[in-house]
Formats: sequence, C-alpha cells, structure tokens
Amino acid sequence: AQSVTQLDSHVSVSEGTPVLLRCNYSSSYSPSLFWYVQHPNKGLQLLLKYTSAATLVKGINGFEAEFKKSETSFHLTKPSAHMSDAAEYFCVVSDSRHTGFQKLVFGTGTRLLVSP
Amino acid sequence: GAGVSQSPSNKVTEKGKDVELRCDPISGHTALYWYRQRLGQGLEFLIYFQGNSAPDKSGLPSDRFSAERTGESVSTLTIQRTQQEDSAVYLCASSLNRAGFGNTIYFGEGSWLTVV
Repeated sequence: AQSVTQLDSHVSVSEGTPVLLRCNYSSSYSPSLFWYVQHPNKGLQLLLKYTSAATLVKGINGFEAEFKKSETSFHLTKPSAHMSDAAEYFCVVSDSRHTGFQKLVFGTGTRLLVSP
Repeated sequence: GAGVSQSPSNKVTEKGKDVELRCDPISGHTALYWYRQRLGQGLEFLIYFQGNSAPDKSGLPSDRFSAERTGESVSTLTIQRTQQEDSAVYLCASSLNRAGFGNTIYFGEGSWLTVV
C-alpha cells in the first residue's frame, strides 16, 4: 500500500530564509509524487509533481522538490521564504499503474509559518 | 467553467438530516473524485468516477454515504442521517482521464459541512 509521512506538523521560518518541508513515501511501484498547497479558506493548488522524468522538479512560486529513491524522500524546498508562503502543505503519492487510476494518498500536512 | 465548482460552500445541518453536496467538474474532465478532510487532518479518498460509473467506492465510510454522477459531468455526494463525525470539508476534484499517469488533478474549494 502507498503512504506518505510528513515528518513535521509545523515548520516556522523567517521571511527570506530557506524552507524545507520533509516527506517520505512508501510505494510498491514507481510512484507519482506531488506537493499541494492549501491557503486558508482556499482550495488545494498543485505546486509541483514528479512522474519519473527529472528527479529535481521545479514548481510554482520558486518551490522545488527532489525525488530520492534511495532515501524514499521527496522533500520540498524554497531558497527564500515569503510571507505569502504561509499555508498548509501536503505531500501526496499516487500509483495509477497499481490502482488503475490516480488515487491520491495524502500526508497529514505541514503548516508553514513565516514570520517577518 | 474555469475550475471545479462545489456547492454549497457551507452547510450546517442537524444530526439525523440528509445532505446533498454538488460538484461541477472542469468541462471535459472524465475523471472525478471526492475526498474528505477532517479538521487538522489530511485528505481521505472517498470515491472515484470514470465517466458516470464508479470503479472505486472503497473510501465511502458507511452505507449512509452515496454518490452519483450524470452526463459525465455533475456529481452529487449524499450523506443520509448525518452524524457529528461527518463534519468535515468535502472536496471534489477532476482530471482529464483516468489513465493519465501524473495528470494534474484539480480541486474545488470544498463544501464545509457542520453537523450539530
């Protein structure tokens, strides 16, 4: 069965400092991996996705993530945090070849807090 | 429409009443998904539609929950005899097709259900 573990429920950074949100996955097959962001009272927005192409994936708003199979990790990073980055971030795994469709399995989320 | 549209955006209902939640997917998207998000938790998969059929209903928590889709478009999630533990945000999502390995799944803003 697929699963993701987000290692931190909350991460606090200062504006202008780097962001690291950690995610480890478990999947029997080569998975697709995603990061979604959820701003307060807003819908989920896709930040980036990995689908077995380049292991370093660039997303929107300066975020990127690196797929490391040996570590079963897909950590999300950003060089410099902005106040508008404060939100809930979800790491997501999907294995459509196993389930027959894109059944997304969500982590429990990491709340990013950005202070001035 | 431009995105996935859900209604109502907010619903307060009394315990024991039935509720219907509606989802209008992005035009042309054949795959439709319902997820539930309880307060402070990640998303739980409920049901997946391909066209008007539901190959995977494995996430529906009880027989009080049902969903249908018509015209390969609108979907309705019905909860009968609501209980307080049904209080959550119900999110609908759609994507182009089921076989799209890594196809982007677009989420609506959700229907916030509160059972009192």
